[in-house]
Amino acid sequence: GENVEQHPSTLSVQEGDSAVIKCTYSDSASNYFPWYKQELGKRPQLIIDIRSNVGEKKDQRIAVTLNKTAKHFSLHITETQPEDSAVYFCAATISGGGADGLTFGKGTHLIIQP
Amino acid sequence: ETGVTQTPRHLVMGMTNKKSLKCEQHLGHNAMYWYKQSAKKPLELMFVYSLEERVENNSVPSRFSPECPNSSHLFLHLHTLQPEDSALYLCASSHNVRDTQYFGPGTRLTVL
Repeated sequence: GENVEQHPSTLSVQEGDSAVIKCTYSDSASNYFPWYKQELGKRPQLIIDIRSNVGEKKDQRIAVTLNKTAKHFSLHITETQPEDSAVYFCAATISGGGADGLTFGKGTHLIIQP
Repeated sequence: ETGVTQTPRHLVMGMTNKKSLKCEQHLGHNAMYWYKQSAKKPLELMFVYSLEERVENNSVPSRFSPECPNSSHLFLHLHTLQPEDSALYLCASSHNVRDTQYFGPGTRLTVL
């Protein structure tokens, strides 16, 4: 089955700086990679996703890059703000087939220092 | 925010109690999931249902028993739990298995 590794487990950055969270996956057939943000006491929510037919996707201050050859994908947050503080989870799966849902990374606790 | 709902939001139970967690989705999805979230394992998949059929059971102890009477409802029946079962239990749904998942607010369970 799929295995997803996520690094770092904790990331502290100054407000206004950029943050990068990296994930690697094991199954080369995986083709769908969502990112979830979970604020303290709240549910995980999808913030951005990417499919294997593109290498990069942006949504305002958030971007995700995918390197299929190396089997890794990354979340980039620019101009970080206090409300970006949360736990971020990456995930991978083979969309459209199989029966085991998303495989999640262990999460990164992002701390934005004022 | 109200697409996936869970009740109760908080539950305290003794080890000999029997209780049930309820999840309901209003998104017309075909797949539903139970996750356990704790400090040790941030998002641990427990059960997957697709079109009301269980398709995945990740070696979950039998003291957790899922039920999916229809594609909109999912239950998790609990009996003779252990203190280490204390965690946040999250329900999620997706259009089909392996599609984007939408999470409920979770039930915070404490086992005394």
